[in-house]
Amino acid sequence: NAGVTQTPKFQVLKTGQSMTLQCAQDMNHNSMYWYRQDPGMGLRLIYYSASEGTTDKGEVPNGYNVSRLNKREFSLRLESAAPSQTSVYFCASTIGGSVQSQHFGDGTRLSIL
Amino acid sequence: TQLLEQSPQFLSIQEGENLTVYCNSSSVFSSLQWYRQEPGEGPVLLVTVVTGGEVKKLKRLTFQFGDARKDSSLHITAAQPGDTGLYLCAGGGPAGNNRKLIWGLGTSLAVNP
Repeated sequence: NAGVTQTPKFQVLKTGQSMTLQCAQDMNHNSMYWYRQDPGMGLRLIYYSASEGTTDKGEVPNGYNVSRLNKREFSLRLESAAPSQTSVYFCASTIGGSVQSQHFGDGTRLSIL
Repeated sequence: TQLLEQSPQFLSIQEGENLTVYCNSSSVFSSLQWYRQEPGEGPVLLVTVVTGGEVKKLKRLTFQFGDARKDSSLHITAAQPGDTGLYLCAGGGPAGNNRKLIWGLGTSLAVNP
């Protein structure tokens, strides 16, 4: 029972480099989310996908792009990484409906030098 | 903007003590969820409450949703070192805006043996 799987778990980038964070869920959930978690700032929503084929901006979308590849997979791309994007990134999913109980992956720890 | 305030921000207690963590808002939520996050892992859902005045128990943990659905509390009886972690509350919006949760900043709990 894998749940939500994120890859990679750790990554170090140089300023200006690009990379894609991968997320896959095996629970047949409709909605998927990308958050970043920073000390003192809590969990902040970057982008979400309410259903396959749709994506919407969250609270802090600047500098990021997303792709809902299929129902299982939702990727987050940093086109030109900046030190301000150093953070722990979490992917989450939920079945959808009126109560949004979310299932999280274990996170990707990203450092940008 | 809906905000969820959690208190206290930090809590350090001895094994066997009781404690209560609070989650407060001036806004009404359709649901309120509590998560626990351990170091290096993603948040894990503990409980969801949806009805004003609702009380749910999970072993030594008691969760209550305020009558007006604006606040919630988590009470732990006889805390154990395994209860150590970051406790997060998250509110679901009213019908029609239920795809995104509003997150508190969390209460960091340390239970010392």
